[in-house]
Amino acid sequence: AQSVTQPDIHITVSEGASLELRCNYSYGATPYLFWYVQSPGQGLQLLLKYFSGDTLVQGIKGFEAEFKRSQSSFNLRKPSVHWSDAAEYFCAVGGYYKLSFGAGTTVTVRA
Amino acid sequence: GAVVSQHPSRVICKSGTSVKIECRSLDFQATTMFWYRQFPKQSLMLMATSNEGSKATYEQGVEKDKFLINHASLTLSTLTVTSAHPEDSSFYICSATSGPSSYEQYFGPGTRLTVT
Repeated sequence: AQSVTQPDIHITVSEGASLELRCNYSYGATPYLFWYVQSPGQGLQLLLKYFSGDTLVQGIKGFEAEFKRSQSSFNLRKPSVHWSDAAEYFCAVGGYYKLSFGAGTTVTVRA
Repeated sequence: GAVVSQHPSRVICKSGTSVKIECRSLDFQATTMFWYRQFPKQSLMLMATSNEGSKATYEQGVEKDKFLINHASLTLSTLTVTSAHPEDSSFYICSATSGPSSYEQYFGPGTRLTVT
């Protein structure tokens, strides 16, 4: 069975500070991993994805994520947060047939 | 590329009526489409998977007679909520993928359903 755990329900970060969102997964084979962002009342926007290859993945909006097989983790990072990064972030594992989402992490950015 | 649209974006209906939500892939052929439901402040829950020309596969606990899914073409899937009740109020999101070799789902913007 596949599953995703996002341990942090809510993170508050100051504008300009760094951000790291944690994601741990359980998957029976080589995982396909995704990070999505959702603004209130909106659909999901793909930030980045990992299928294979380089374990450090660059995405849009200055985000990056690192796949660590030994830790079953795929943490999302951004060196300097902007106020517009305030949103809900979802980690997902799976592939063609079925995606499983984590519970999400709400990011609040304070001035 | 890979744009998915949903219509309507918001709908309000009276209890007991039915409402249809459309999901379209605008620039690719979607062999498989997925329907998710999202409650406030919660994650996405997969409701069903539909393949073009086939019956949808529903997740455990999802009433297939209540949530009718039709995937009649490679660019259109519809979700009909029949005899809607206030507890069906939710945010419904569809996604689409272009085939077995594609491991990425492209998401629509969602539809907010409110049943009064």
